[in-house]
Amino acid sequence: EAGVTQSPTHLIKTRGQQATLRCSPISGHTSVYWYQQALGLGLQFLLWYDEGEERNRGNFPPRFSGRQFPNYSSELNVNALELEDSALYLCASNLADRVYEQYFGPGTRLTVT
Amino acid sequence: LAKTTQPISMDSYEGQEVNITCSHNNIATNDYITWYQQFPSQGPRFIIQGYKTKVTNEVASLFIPADRKSSTLSLPRVSLSDTAVYYCLVGDISNNAGNMLTFGGGTRLMVKP
Repeated sequence: EAGVTQSPTHLIKTRGQQATLRCSPISGHTSVYWYQQALGLGLQFLLWYDEGEERNRGNFPPRFSGRQFPNYSSELNVNALELEDSALYLCASNLADRVYEQYFGPGTRLTVT
Repeated sequence: LAKTTQPISMDSYEGQEVNITCSHNNIATNDYITWYQQFPSQGPRFIIQGYKTKVTNEVASLFIPADRKSSTLSLPRVSLSDTAVYYCLVGDISNNAGNMLTFGGGTRLMVKP
């Protein structure tokens, strides 16, 4: 069974640009979560999508947005990039009844210069 | 969500058993205890989950005393590849209100040869 996949692996952008990160959940998982992990820090919850709807978002500005497609894959968009947006962005998915058993992808390393 | 407290770091040697304790004094009746493992530049990986007494799988054991105010993750005969950050999470696995995982600082385990 394929795990959660993310693309691209690495992304380098300059300040002010936009970044788009993609995630495909495990087959059968309808929920997708996005987390940000800055270097040396813990994971910060960004967004939760389920059945195509945004269900919850963390304490991040509106320039962090995303969507979930009918096939349950998801996109995270970060507009007006700032240097402090440089981080590992992780996507996770789970079965609806397994809230605390999330499966994470390998992440996208975003570097803003 | 119950607050958790773990040691910041631990050192061990190959072949030893490692026990990482997590304190969660305010654990609620419906809360479960879940542990994740994270290697550098990778997403966390679900290790084990339990409610009370002892849970064992092919990777680790989880010991939970009767009062459930703490728990211990036990890794038998660690190897260098067990060097990682280990996170303890406590929450209601049936709670659909948030569904995002709240990761604390975790315990950085260093296994030495």
